[in-house]
Amino acid sequence: QKEVEQNSGPLSVPEGAIASLNCTYSDRGSQSFFWYRQYSGKSPELIMSIYSNGDKEDGRFTAQLNKASQYVSLLIRDSQPSDSATYLCAVGGSNYKLTFGKGTLLTVNP
Amino acid sequence: ETGVTQSPTHLIKTRGQQVTLRCSSQSGHNTVSWYQQALGQGPQFIFQYYREEENGRGNFPPRFSGLQFPNYSSELNVNALELDDSALYLCASSMDSLGNEQFFGPGTRLTVL
Repeated sequence: QKEVEQNSGPLSVPEGAIASLNCTYSDRGSQSFFWYRQYSGKSPELIMSIYSNGDKEDGRFTAQLNKASQYVSLLIRDSQPSDSATYLCAVGGSNYKLTFGKGTLLTVNP
Repeated sequence: ETGVTQSPTHLIKTRGQQVTLRCSSQSGHNTVSWYQQALGQGPQFIFQYYREEENGRGNFPPRFSGLQFPNYSSELNVNALELDDSALYLCASSMDSLGNEQFFGPGTRLTVL
C-alpha cells in the first residue's frame, strides 16, 4: 500500500471555479500535513500547512484535515490560470521525514 | 532573509563518476533534508541533517552520503553514479527536526549518461 496517495489527474477546471485536490495517507501516527505547488521544471513551493483536524484558510486556499479518515484536501477558490501546476501532498510523522504523494496536475482553463 | 540556495543548477556526469551537490539553508534554519525527485514522481527522502549530525535516512544505498557544516549548509555526495540517479535533487531547510515546515531550494538537475 502506498503511503501517500493522490489522484494523478489531470484535473481540469474553468477559470473562477473551485478546484478540489485530495490526498489519503496510511500512517495513523502522522502529525503534520503540507501542500506544495510545483510548476513544471521548478522546485516545490509550500502553500499550506495543517496540523490539527478541521479547516485552515489562507487567502484563496483552504486545507482540510480529517485524521480519523486519514484524509487531507486542498480547495482553491476562484481558480486562476496561474494556479495551473502539480500539487504535492506531503505527510510528516513522528520522525523526521516528509513522505510525498506523486502529485495531482491541475489545469485551469481561461 | 535569504532563501534556500543550491549549486550547481545543472550537472551532467557519466556512469561510475562521483558528484557533490551543495545547499545553503535559509537564515535561522538549522535542519537540512535532501530529496530525490524522478520525473513524474513526488520527492523521495534521502536523509536529514540536524546540527551537523545525520538525523535519519530513507531507503537509499550508502553511496549516497552527506555532510552538514557549522553554518548549517550541507553537501550531498553520490559515488559510483548509476543511470537511475538521474533526477532533480532537492534540498529543504527547516527551523528544527520536529516536523515543522520545510522550504525547498531550486534544486540541482543531475543527468547521468
